[in-house]
Formats: sequence, C-alpha cells, structure tokens
Amino acid sequence: ELKVEQNPLFLSMQEGKNYTIYCNYSTTSDRLYWYRQDPGKSLESLFVLLSNGAVKQEGRLMASLDTKARLSTLHITAAVHDLSATYFCAVDDNDMRFGAGTRLTVKP
Amino acid sequence: DVKVTQSSRYLVKRTGEKVFLECVQDMDHENMFWYRQDPGLGLRLIYFSYDVKMKEKGDIPEGYSVSREKKERFSLILESASTNQTSMYLCASSFGSNSYEQYFGPGTRLTVT
Repeated sequence: ELKVEQNPLFLSMQEGKNYTIYCNYSTTSDRLYWYRQDPGKSLESLFVLLSNGAVKQEGRLMASLDTKARLSTLHITAAVHDLSATYFCAVDDNDMRFGAGTRLTVKP
Repeated sequence: DVKVTQSSRYLVKRTGEKVFLECVQDMDHENMFWYRQDPGLGLRLIYFSYDVKMKEKGDIPEGYSVSREKKERFSLILESASTNQTSMYLCASSFGSNSYEQYFGPGTRLTVT
C-alpha cells in the first residue's frame, strides 16, 4: 500500500527565514504534486513534478523530486506572512495519495 | 480557468438521513473524485470515476455510494448518515491522463448530529 509521509506537520517560522518541507513516499511513482490550502478554502495546485530530478520554482517556493530516494522537498526562501497555509504533497500511483499536510505559520 | 463547484458549503443533517452531495465541473474532465478531509489525516479517497456511469472504490468507500450519470456531474451519497461521517468533503476533477493535477471544489462541511 502506498504511504505518503510529510514532515514536519506543523511549522512556525519567522519572516525572512528559509525552511524545507519533506515528503517521503513508499512507491516508485514519478508523479508528485504539491498543493496549498488556505484556512476554510479548497486546495490549489502549486507544482506538478513528473520525472526524477524535476525542479520547479514559483516565487519563494521551489519543489524538487528525487524518485530514487522517493523524496520530494518544498523549499521556502525568505518566508513572508502570505505563505502561511497548509501544504500537501500527493503521489500519483494509479491512485492519488495525499500526505497529512504541513501547517505553516509565518510570523513577523 | 477550471471551475469545480459543489452544491453546498455547509450542511447539517441528522443521523439516519440520506444525504446527497453534488459536484459539477465545467472543463470536460474525464476523471472525478470524492475525498474527505479530517484533521491530521490529510485527504482520503472515497470514490472516483474515470467515465460516465463508471465508478471505482477508493480507500474508504464504506457508508458511501456515488453516481455519475453525466460527464460533468459526480454525486456522493450517504445512504444513512452517521456522526462519524461529519467531515469536510472535497470533490476534484482532472484530465484523463494520470499526469495531470486535480482541480478541487470549495468543499462541503457536513455535520451529522
């Protein structure tokens, strides 16, 4: 059974700092997605990673995929308050399986 | 932009009631999904559909059924609602290939009392 593990589950950071969210999974899939969810709202697609070594960047967020290590990372650079949200990774192995989510709070 | 709409944002039902949650997408997507979201558990797949009148069980189908009579509409049915079905329900859709991300609706927060 496919397992997807995110860590940390909760992250409180200061504005301007860098941090990385990790997503480990148990299958050989090369299709991984990152989503953002704001409180009370639905999920919004951030990144689609479809091959080993894929790297995508949007603003202060950068996602990468290492299929050999079965690991994806979401790196936050110089965090700002607007990035406060819950971030989910999801692995597509015929069925889409989501991680538990990382609740990020960026403090001034 | 892809639009996925759900019939209700908030719903309160009594134990034993039959509950219908409707989802409509306007982008001609082949695939549609129903998830429930609970704190600390992420999203769990209830049912999905790859085509009209086609349905497949997800990870937690017990107590639920679905209907897809038209390509754009996917309904989730709680035959006899129970308190442990209190949750946020999210509908999603995607293109036919597995290489496309899913687009989510706004969610329905269901409370069963």
